[in-house]
Amino acid sequence: QQQVKQSPQSLIVQKGGISIINCAYENTAFDYFPWYQQFPGKGPALLIAIRPDVSEKKEGRFTISFNKSAKQFSLHIMDSQPGDSATYFCAALHSGYALNFGKGTSLLVTP
Amino acid sequence: EPEVTQTPSHQVTQMGQEVILRCVPISNHLYFYWYRQILGQKVEFLVSFYNNEISEKSEIFDDQFSVERPDGSNFTLKIRSTKLEDSAMYFCASSLQGMDEKLFFGSGTQLSVL
Repeated sequence: QQQVKQSPQSLIVQKGGISIINCAYENTAFDYFPWYQQFPGKGPALLIAIRPDVSEKKEGRFTISFNKSAKQFSLHIMDSQPGDSATYFCAALHSGYALNFGKGTSLLVTP
Repeated sequence: EPEVTQTPSHQVTQMGQEVILRCVPISNHLYFYWYRQILGQKVEFLVSFYNNEISEKSEIFDDQFSVERPDGSNFTLKIRSTKLEDSAMYFCASSLQGMDEKLFFGSGTQLSVL
């Protein structure tokens, strides 16, 4: 069964700190790894995504680090802000098949 | 930015009743999806739809579920005989070129089966 394991389940970070969320996958055929951000009452929204041919992708304060040999990838949020408080889902996909989501991480950034 | 629109936002139904959840995907998108999220759990894939037919479905999407694109704008999910365990937030999503491109999700329909 294709699975994506995400940790931690919840995370509290002070404003200005670094938030780190980790994911691990099993299926080496996965070739697309997006992160989705979900605010209460809203659907998930694509935040950033990476393909396995690169080890890192940065967009503003958000960075994905990808370790193909360890089958792990992580989201780093630099200079975390209260507005970043949301649930974050990692996901993985094998081209042509459905997205597999992790269980989500509830992030709270305190002022 | 264009949006995926879902109606209703909340739906309460009795066990055994039929429900239809409605979605208007982004107008130029070609791929359509339904996902669901049981409270506190991960987002789960139900079905994908392309070129007027189902392209993939999960184990959850059994004979009680069906999807339809009745016209050029709407995309619906029908649950024929609802069960208590169907209670969840149902998300419609669409994409331009397929699952490995950006999916746009609607705000969801919260289905409560009593």
